[in-house]
Parts: sequence; structure tokens; C-alpha cells
Amino acid sequence: NAGVTQTPKFRILKIGQSMTLQCTQDMNHNYMYWYRQDPGMGLKLIYYSVGAGITDKGEVPNGYNVSRSTTEDFPLRLELAAPSQTSVYFCASSYPPVEEEKLFFGSGTQLSVL
Amino acid sequence: QKEVEQNSGPLSVPEGAIASLNCTYSDRGSQSFFWYRQYSGKSPELIMSIYSNGDKEDGRFTAQLNKASQYVSLLIRDSQPSDSATYLCAVNLLSSASKIIFGSGTRLSIRP
Repeated sequence: NAGVTQTPKFRILKIGQSMTLQCTQDMNHNYMYWYRQDPGMGLKLIYYSVGAGITDKGEVPNGYNVSRSTTEDFPLRLELAAPSQTSVYFCASSYPPVEEEKLFFGSGTQLSVL
Repeated sequence: QKEVEQNSGPLSVPEGAIASLNCTYSDRGSQSFFWYRQYSGKSPELIMSIYSNGDKEDGRFTAQLNKASQYVSLLIRDSQPSDSATYLCAVNLLSSASKIIFGSGTRLSIRP
């Protein structure tokens, strides 16, 4: 199984550009999450989804948008990129209660906004 | 007040000793608690989950939960150099059954 796949792994954006971070999982997990991690810090929840067509804001949603049209995919859209969005972005999925709410993480996307 | 708080460290522990990591949370109704380990440049990985008051042991790791004090801890016995990593405390908030919030992490360094 591939698990949770994130693309791209690295990206440099100019201020004001837009991009979509892709996330797909092949484990048929209902729940999916987007987190960001600034250097030396913990993870901050951006958005999460409990199933196709359902999304909700996390701790730091401003400047981001998400959609969940299928169980497998949960893309994160950055509009008008700003230097403050320079971070490592992690996508994760889970399948409570079968997996005891364990988060399965992708390998991350390192984004720099210059 | 932060929802999940941890000492950022770094915490330095000699090899073979017990490492003790602490975490407090603000939502009294939280029911699920987790410890993740993250090596530099890697994704977090789950090492312990705990749901009930008391201790839960798994090999060299023991998680302790005290809901009355809103406190969860992780003990690592017989610390090894491979335990050097950042340890992230996470809590599933009761307000939304799927909302998992992380603390800022504690850097642990095991010195030979």
C-alpha cells in the first residue's frame, strides 16, 4: 500500500502566487487532515474532513481552502501566497475507531514563499 | 491559553536513564490522548495512545493520564540514543470527534 501520498515534496512560490498541495490516500480512511509545521514547532491544524463533501476549519485556516470530493483526495489550496505560509505541510488520515484514531502521515511538502 | 502545552526542551538524559515528558491540555472534556515521535526531517509516528486514567505500558514506554489534573505524560525507560527525537503530545478535542490538536513538542536528547 502507498498509504498517504503528498505532492510536491518541495516548492518555492513567489509572494502572491497560488498553488494546490495534493494529498491522496489508498486506505479508505474517512478522516483526513492538513497540518503545518513551522521550524522547531509542533503541528498546527489547518483544515480537516470527516468524509467526502464535509470539511471544517482547524486552528489556522486563514489563507487556505480545501475540498473533499472523494474519499481518497484532500487537496489544500493556497491563494495569494505570503511569506508567513513558509512551512512544512503534512497531510494525514485516520480511520477511527478501527485504528484507534492513529494518524497516518504523508512525507510532507516543504514550501517556501519568497 | 494554549489548548495543548509542552515544555519545548531540549531535555537531555543520559543513556540508560528514564526520560519523562509532560503535557497539559485545556479542554476538560477531551477523551483521547496520544504521543507521537518525530525524527528530524521526518513525519510524526504514533508511539502511544491512552484513553483512561492511569498508566499504559508498551515495552520501554509508559503513558500516564490524569484527567482531573488535565495532565498526560510519557516515560521512556532505559533510554537509548535512538530515542533522541522530538516528542509531540496530541489531544482529540471533545468538541469535534475528529479534531486532533498537537502541542509544540519536546526535543529529547539522549547522551551516551
